[in-house]
Amino acid sequence: QSALTQPASVSGSPGQSITISCTGTSSDVGGYNYVSWYQQHPGKAPKLMIYDVSNRPSGVSNRFSGSKSGNTASLTISGLQAEDEADYYCSSYTSSSTLEVFGGGTKLTVL
Amino acid sequence: EVQLVQSGAEVKKPGESLKISCKGSGYSFTSYWIGWVRQMPGKGLEWMGIIYPGDSDTRYSPSFQGQVTISADKSISTAYLQWSSLKASDTAMYYCALRGSGSYFADYWGQGTLVTVSS
Repeated sequence: QSALTQPASVSGSPGQSITISCTGTSSDVGGYNYVSWYQQHPGKAPKLMIYDVSNRPSGVSNRFSGSKSGNTASLTISGLQAEDEADYYCSSYTSSSTLEVFGGGTKLTVL
Repeated sequence: EVQLVQSGAEVKKPGESLKISCKGSGYSFTSYWIGWVRQMPGKGLEWMGIIYPGDSDTRYSPSFQGQVTISADKSISTAYLQWSSLKASDTAMYYCALRGSGSYFADYWGQGTLVTVSS
């Protein structure tokens, strides 16, 4: 069982917006602004999409945005495109371990 | 351009030893943490451990402490993940990933090394 809870799957149609949640505790998501999000296409390495809750690395589309409220972080993808279909993982610093913890992952399907 | 290039796929028998590698380029190898992430077939991501090549400071996730050894050779900008006695349950894709000092995210990833352990 992963330390952070994500929905197993979400779906949306092209052009729509979707949000993926990531729920933790006050020892991780809620206590620190160190939440990151990764995109992973089948057979590929993960790619950093959001870091420190809401920052986008250079080259990542501004259709991707991150936020946090209490113990839940969220990744929002606006203007869905077919290429966004992938698995998404959240990650957070945690005070109870040396290393960050991941969520279980969410499969995004673009209908 | 920052690159992490991992060694190729491996097929091993239970009980055998293995060392896989991750060569960094395009950045100061001794100034960033390099970590290893496991992804079992059809499953999610798990941090195994990280090393700071500058001083060899190494930290392990409790789940992997004593099960693997992480090391680095800064003379050739290469990090390693090794097992002394593989088990079938070690079958997985292993990624190395770069983490900045003082940051809690991995901004560059290797292409992955598939390890298959089967009798």
